[in-house]
Amino acid sequence: TQLLEQSPQFLSIQEGENLTVYCNSSSVFSSLQWYRQEPGEGPVLLVTVVTGGEVKKLKRLTFQFGDARKDSSLHITAAQPGDTGLYLCAGLSRSSNTGKLIFGQGTTLQVKP
Amino acid sequence: KAGVTQTPRYLIKTRGQQVTLSCSPISGHRSVSWYQQTPGQGLQFLFEYFSETQRNKGNFPGRFSGRQFSNSRSEMNVSTLELGDSALYLCASSLAAGSSGNTIYFGEGSWLTVV
Repeated sequence: TQLLEQSPQFLSIQEGENLTVYCNSSSVFSSLQWYRQEPGEGPVLLVTVVTGGEVKKLKRLTFQFGDARKDSSLHITAAQPGDTGLYLCAGLSRSSNTGKLIFGQGTTLQVKP
Repeated sequence: KAGVTQTPRYLIKTRGQQVTLSCSPISGHRSVSWYQQTPGQGLQFLFEYFSETQRNKGNFPGRFSGRQFSNSRSEMNVSTLELGDSALYLCASSLAAGSSGNTIYFGEGSWLTVV
């Protein structure tokens, strides 16, 4: 069974601080996606990483896919209250011809002004 | 272009009843997946359809079923509802299943409350 361990589960920081969220697995994924979800809404895609070692930047957000495609990280620089939300990593299985996503448990981020 | 559309957004049902949820994928997308999200279990995969065929099924009881139509629209049905079925049901669409780098987009979800 493929699992994605996401940490930390909860994070409460002050505006302007930096943070990193980690997503780890013992399994290889063909790609990994990061989503942000607001209460009562569906997850909104932030980025998809495909190549081992790939780094993608989205304004103050930096995403990295591990060289072995088993782990990923999300780094937010100078966090703002608007970054508050649930961050989810989700891996697409490499081994099967399927669109099934394996989700991490999520990281609830609160950025206080 | 329009995103993934799910209806209804909110509904309340009584234990023992059945419910049908609908999903219209992004235009041109042929793969539709369904997920259940609860505070305790997070996001769990229900099933995936591609070209009207179920390609994959998660670990849910037979009360949970789905189908996909020729226009790629999908429905999921839950029969004999239980209190534990209360959750946010999310539909996701993508161009094709299984492709490396395939991007999957989610709808806003259908909130089901079973009383």
